[in-house]
Amino acid sequence: EIQLQESGPGLVKPSQSLSLTCSVTGYTITSGYDWSWIRKFPGNKMEWMGYISYSGSTNYNPSLKSRISITRDTSKNQFFLQLNSVTTEDTATYYCASRIWYFDFWGPGTMVTVSS
Amino acid sequence: DIQMTQSPASLSASLGETVTIECRASEDIYSNLAWYQQKPGNSPQLLIYDANSLADGVPSRFSGSGSGTQYSLKINSLQSEDVASYFCQQYNNYPDTFGAGTKLELK
Repeated sequence: EIQLQESGPGLVKPSQSLSLTCSVTGYTITSGYDWSWIRKFPGNKMEWMGYISYSGSTNYNPSLKSRISITRDTSKNQFFLQLNSVTTEDTATYYCASRIWYFDFWGPGTMVTVSS
Repeated sequence: DIQMTQSPASLSASLGETVTIECRASEDIYSNLAWYQQKPGNSPQLLIYDANSLADGVPSRFSGSGSGTQYSLKINSLQSEDVASYFCQQYNNYPDTFGAGTKLELK
């Protein structure tokens, strides 16, 4: 079974960059799926942020397009999220997930707080 | 973006009862809809995809239906382990969008 695990700082200062890693086990990220980042805000709103496909192409939510980058390290079977110029409104729980069209496997999530 | 309007926002039901949660899309999403369950402290779990297909390992008391812009999730014979939040996701158009969620509690 596919397992995903997010990691990264839990606290980021405003205007800085948020960087998270998703480590995947049980499946090779170049074999299939779109490898996604999703976030859940404190008010429970969910937002799909974007993905990197098994072939390396990316697709981002237009609401984030100028600030987001998703990359990968195939040798480590990991993919990464970078979100630039964060504000307090980026405070959320961040999930990585495998996407066919729906999200069938999710990581446990990591809470990121943006605060000075 | 396609807006997903989910109702109700919260729901209280008794053990053994049947409950229904609805999602309405702002345009036709051609059954490209999934339902998820999220228990407190856990990540979301896929329940239903393609509007009415049961995900692996999901109990048969869960079912999905609908077409066009109107979709529903039904839970038959409510069990205590069904206490959770539920939300829908459309994947017909980018960006994927989610309903606001329904919090299900026991009466």
